[in-house]
Amino acid sequence: GAVVSQHPSRVICKSGTSVKIECRSLDFQATTMFWYRQFPKQSLMLMATSNEGSKATYEQGVEKDKFLINHASLTLSTLTVTSAHPEDSSFYICSAPPEANVLTFGAGSRLTVL
Amino acid sequence: RKEVEQDPGPFNVPEGATVAFNCTYSNSASQSFFWYRQDCRKEPKLLMSVYSSGNEDGRFTAQLNRASQYISLLIRDSKLSDSATYLCVVSPGGSYIPTFGRGTSLIVHP
Repeated sequence: GAVVSQHPSRVICKSGTSVKIECRSLDFQATTMFWYRQFPKQSLMLMATSNEGSKATYEQGVEKDKFLINHASLTLSTLTVTSAHPEDSSFYICSAPPEANVLTFGAGSRLTVL
Repeated sequence: RKEVEQDPGPFNVPEGATVAFNCTYSNSASQSFFWYRQDCRKEPKLLMSVYSSGNEDGRFTAQLNRASQYISLLIRDSKLSDSATYLCVVSPGGSYIPTFGRGTSLIVHP
């Protein structure tokens, strides 16, 4: 089946630093990828839609200058959390549709900002 | 009103029990419906799609009621391994971006 690889799975960083999370579709091409954030016992919240070769579309309330998204190829999208703060600590998950209306998720990246 | 609503639970049931979850959605133009399963600290995984006519996959049965705008998931003969959070996912017509419910927690005990 379709596989989406996401790494790092876990990252701990100091406040003020930047962290990059990568999401790769391994056996299919993804012109679109989605980035979600999930706080404990909360639902997945869509942060942005990553579009290959064009700018990402951000959801309301998500700072585009803080969460930089790059989708430079059909198999890779990256999310960079810039100037991280403790409140950015969360579970970040990417997903891509290998076929219409079905999402395959990456394993997620647990970010802890000290 | 939230776009997709689920009772967060937890539903605490013994092995072998039958349990049902409902999920309501607000957008009447929604076209695609799914149930995902998420284990603790893991990514969601597709459990099953939900079709208008209802569909069954082993012990799992999903149904859609467009008139009342809800979908349901029935689990028969619960196993310990069914313990997880079940996410209702709705995708509006004309737009691919799915919306997730908060999830319903199921705990199956011996």
